[in-house]
Amino acid sequence: AQRVTQPEKLLSVFKGAPVELKCNYSYSGSPELFWYVQYSRQRLQLLLRHISRESIKGFTADLNKGETSFHLKKPFAQEEDSAMYYCALSGLDTGRRALTFGSGTRLQVQP
Amino acid sequence: GAGVSQSPSNKVTEKGKDVELRCDPISGHTALYWYRQSLGQGLEFLIYFQGNSAPDKSGLPSDRFSAERTGGSVSTLTIQRTQQEDSAVYLCASSPLAGDGGEQYFGPGTRLTVT
Repeated sequence: AQRVTQPEKLLSVFKGAPVELKCNYSYSGSPELFWYVQYSRQRLQLLLRHISRESIKGFTADLNKGETSFHLKKPFAQEEDSAMYYCALSGLDTGRRALTFGSGTRLQVQP
Repeated sequence: GAGVSQSPSNKVTEKGKDVELRCDPISGHTALYWYRQSLGQGLEFLIYFQGNSAPDKSGLPSDRFSAERTGGSVSTLTIQRTQQEDSAVYLCASSPLAGDGGEQYFGPGTRLTVT
């Protein structure tokens, strides 16, 4: 079975502060990890995936297989980063590409 | 081009009635997914279609739920004899190639309320 855990329901920071949204996963095979974001009144969209190793909107995430984590980080939060963030997993080694999502973390960036 | 579309955007139904939710994926996308977003349950996978292969129905919560995908394009999710616990936002997503495991493009969702 695969499982994604996001321990924080809400993370509130001030503009310019560093941000770290935590994500831990459980999967016996070879995982692919994603961060999806949902801004207010917008649809869910991909922020980044571990395979591409990109930095999107200043966010980065590194897959740590030893700690089974995929935390999302940004050194200086902006007000426009306020949104709901979901960590998600799919199995690279299976034909099933459906995503298993964490419960989400709401990020509030205050001015 | 146009993204994933879903209809209706909102649906209110009485307990015990059947409902049909529609998803139009991005043209050319071979994989289509249904998810449910409900309070206390987060986002959960329901069913997945890939080309002409048999769908993966492992996420359907009960036999009251079914889905079909006609002509490899439009999909309909049907819930029979709706219950109050079916109230949720139903999301559809599509992706170009399931084997790629890449980005899934989500629709705006259908908010279902069972009274």
